[in-house]
Amino acid sequence: DGGITQSPKYLFRKEGQNVTLSCEQNLNHDAMYWYRQDPGQGLRLIYYSQIVNDFQKGDIAEGYSVSREKKESFPLTVTSAQKNPTAFYLCASSIDWKPNYGYTFGSGTRLTVV
Amino acid sequence: QKEVEQNSGPLSVPEGAIASLNCTYSDRGSQSFFWYRQYSGKSPELIMSIYSNGDKEDGRFTAQLNKASQYVSLLIRDSQPSDSATYLCAVNIANAGGTSYGKLTFGQGTILTVHP
Repeated sequence: DGGITQSPKYLFRKEGQNVTLSCEQNLNHDAMYWYRQDPGQGLRLIYYSQIVNDFQKGDIAEGYSVSREKKESFPLTVTSAQKNPTAFYLCASSIDWKPNYGYTFGSGTRLTVV
Repeated sequence: QKEVEQNSGPLSVPEGAIASLNCTYSDRGSQSFFWYRQYSGKSPELIMSIYSNGDKEDGRFTAQLNKASQYVSLLIRDSQPSDSATYLCAVNIANAGGTSYGKLTFGQGTILTVHP
């Protein structure tokens, strides 16, 4: 079955450590997105990629980095520069850059700073 | 002004009643609108999409769009306790010419509780 796989489901980060969240899709979608969700809040866009080897900053890109070397993969690195990284991270994809048919979401990664 | 606004609730309705969820958006060129349901601790799932003015029905769900008023709503008929979740409105924000900025903008979400 086609879908988006995020791993790990839970991740614990020590202060000053970089961590990478994985996102893989087998839907043959062109565009991929990373959102952050804090308790009781909506989704805030971190980065998005409309095509391979290209990506744009979203509304809250500071302290994060991404790469899009393959169509099916869009990993997110949370760097030590992100001072409050504890949140629920959601990866999504859409058929194309528009995205007129909405997103398909992965199951999410819950990141906690310890 | 927020680009997509929802009443955060919580909205509480009795089982069997109609739940009405509302959303307004800022950009008149926007052309595609979505409702997602998110259970606690889970990721959002798409339940309705709407593109034209008027009503669109799918089972117990009806989405309503009024582009002139920049308003989209979701009605849930015969509400069930299993409908208790956060409902997210998402808009494909576009410029005045109708060209998408290439991303969905989400409202804060409305928490719905259906009590027996």
